[in-house]
Amino acid sequence: AQSVTQLDSQVPVFEEAPVELRCNYSSSVSVYLFWYVQYPNQGLQLLLKYLSGSTLVKGINGFEAEFNKSQTSFHLRKPSVHISDTAEYFCAVSDLTGGFKTIFGAGTRLFVKA
Amino acid sequence: DTAVSQTPKYLVTQMGNDKSIKCEQNLGHDTMYWYKQDSKKFLKIMFSYNNKELIINETVPNRFSPKSPDKAHLNLHINSLELGDSAVYFCASSQGPRSNTEAFFGQGTRLTVV
Repeated sequence: AQSVTQLDSQVPVFEEAPVELRCNYSSSVSVYLFWYVQYPNQGLQLLLKYLSGSTLVKGINGFEAEFNKSQTSFHLRKPSVHISDTAEYFCAVSDLTGGFKTIFGAGTRLFVKA
Repeated sequence: DTAVSQTPKYLVTQMGNDKSIKCEQNLGHDTMYWYKQDSKKFLKIMFSYNNKELIINETVPNRFSPKSPDKAHLNLHINSLELGDSAVYFCASSQGPRSNTEAFFGQGTRLTVV
């Protein structure tokens, strides 16, 4: 069975600073990886996903993530954050065995300060 | 046009009552889900249906019963509500049940049991 660990529950950062949100996973088989964002009082929406191919994945709103198989990580980065990026970010993993479940991490709250 | 819509958005009810949450998607997706998000933002899958057939049924009390009258609708009925059922419930849909597909979420139903 797979699992996801988001290493930081909260990340405060100043506006226009870079940010990295960390995600590690464990699985005995190959995986698909996702990052979702949840703005206050809203549902989750997909930021980006890694299925195969290039390990650097670009998503919406200037975010990108890098899949590192040897370190079993999928960290999310943005070079310069805006106030509007304040939200909860969820890393998720599902495996390639044909199972239907996507497992979500506990979330990281990104708080962008002026 | 809202892609995945849930009603009601807020639900406050007393212990012991029975309540339902409705979900509809207009994306033409085959697969729908119910997730529960607790007060710590932890997101856990409860059920999934593919073309009206139940494909995921996690360890959920049998007081919770999903019903899918057609592939565009997935409702959640909860009997004998308990304080611990208080949470935000999210409906989601995806093109298919395969693990590489993105999920589209509704805005959530905040259930408070008093």
